[in-house]
Amino acid sequence: EPEVTQTPSHQVTQMGQEVILRCVPISNHLYFYWYRQILGQKVEFLVSFYNNEISEKSEIFDDQFSVERPDGSNFTLKIRSTKLEDSAMYFCASSGQAFSTDTQYFGPGTRLTVL
Amino acid sequence: AQSVTQLGSHVSVSEGALVLLRCNYSSSVPPYLFWYVQYPNQGLQLLLKYTSAATLVKGINGFEAEFKKSETSFHLTKPSAHMSDAAEYFCAVSVGSQGNLIFGKGTKLSVKP
Repeated sequence: EPEVTQTPSHQVTQMGQEVILRCVPISNHLYFYWYRQILGQKVEFLVSFYNNEISEKSEIFDDQFSVERPDGSNFTLKIRSTKLEDSAMYFCASSGQAFSTDTQYFGPGTRLTVL
Repeated sequence: AQSVTQLGSHVSVSEGALVLLRCNYSSSVPPYLFWYVQYPNQGLQLLLKYTSAATLVKGINGFEAEFKKSETSFHLTKPSAHMSDAAEYFCAVSVGSQGNLIFGKGTKLSVKP
């Protein structure tokens, strides 16, 4: 069964460093999402992406964040200068359509630890 | 604005007992509601979803949920718990033109032998 994959599973970085989290969505999907979950808190929407541009983004997704689809298979989330409060589990998701009823398929997550 | 509240961060049941995980939503428009499950070290997997068709929705692994508009609830149930059901369960509501999900805080289900 097709699945969303994410690398690395765990990333440790120093405050102020740039990190890139990588995702490989399901191959025929067109809509991509990033969510994050700070320990003990809710899973929060960050950004959605379609046709090589951001469709929607939350207040969390400020200028420190960017997303890219550098090739036909990868979808990346870059945090330019990490802060302690960026420590969280980051989930990538993809869906075949962008309707409110469509199922989003999630990857296993990348745990980001900022020291 | 849409939101979801899950009552109980941790629920413990005995194997064979009824599982009931509570979810209440707040929405100014007819909601689309989802239950996801997360097993250790895995991603979020869809259990079931409500999309305004039947109010009783059946999902995978014997789970079902009933949409009750009058109670603004979408509780998840399973008649008989298995050890393999131990996981974290998330209720979510779909918002925005592209169906971005708003999640509850999750409920961790433990199943005792």
